[in-house]
Amino acid sequence: GAVVSQHPSWVICKSGTSVKIECRSLDFQATTMFWYRQFPKQSLMLMATSNEGSKATYEQGVEKDKFLINHASLTLSTLTVTSAHPEDSSFYICSARAFRAGLSNQPQHFGDGTRLSIL
Amino acid sequence: GEDVEQSLFLSVREGDSSVINCTYTDSSSTYLYWYKQEPGAGLQLLTYIFSNMDMKQDQRLTVLLNKKDKHLSLRIADTQTGDSAIYFCAEDSSNTGKLIFGQGTTLQVKP
Repeated sequence: GAVVSQHPSWVICKSGTSVKIECRSLDFQATTMFWYRQFPKQSLMLMATSNEGSKATYEQGVEKDKFLINHASLTLSTLTVTSAHPEDSSFYICSARAFRAGLSNQPQHFGDGTRLSIL
Repeated sequence: GEDVEQSLFLSVREGDSSVINCTYTDSSSTYLYWYKQEPGAGLQLLTYIFSNMDMKQDQRLTVLLNKKDKHLSLRIADTQTGDSAIYFCAEDSSNTGKLIFGQGTTLQVKP
């Protein structure tokens, strides 16, 4: 089945550091990737939608300069948390799907998530 | 706007059936999904149903869709302790491809 790989799975770093998280679709081409943030005991909050070859679309309230998203190819998207602070500590999850508006689409498949802890 | 609602908690005994319910608002959704999340892990796609179907069965899982009432349910037969997890219902926005998630239902399976 469809596999999405997310790396790293756990990061601990000092305040002020920038952290890059990778999301790869291993056996399909993902025209669209999504980045989510999940707080403890809560549902997923969509941060941004990343389309290959174009700029990411950020949800309201998400700082685009803080959370840099790059969709470099049809199998790779990266999320960089710049100058991370303790309040950025969270569980970040990516998902990927092949999507074309108006056509029969494939479901979203999720990575295993990255736990980010900023000291 | 689009909204998905789920009950927050369900407790069953091992071997019983579990039924997790979900209501949604976007009648134009193409797919409706059930995801499972175990502690500290990402989301695992359990099953999904296309909007023109009423039912889908996959081994121990049965999904029922009532489009008129915008109600989706997931039935797990012969529930096992390994089924203990949070289950998320989600609908997709046919225009943007975004998923709208429910709050998640925590399933507790007692031995």
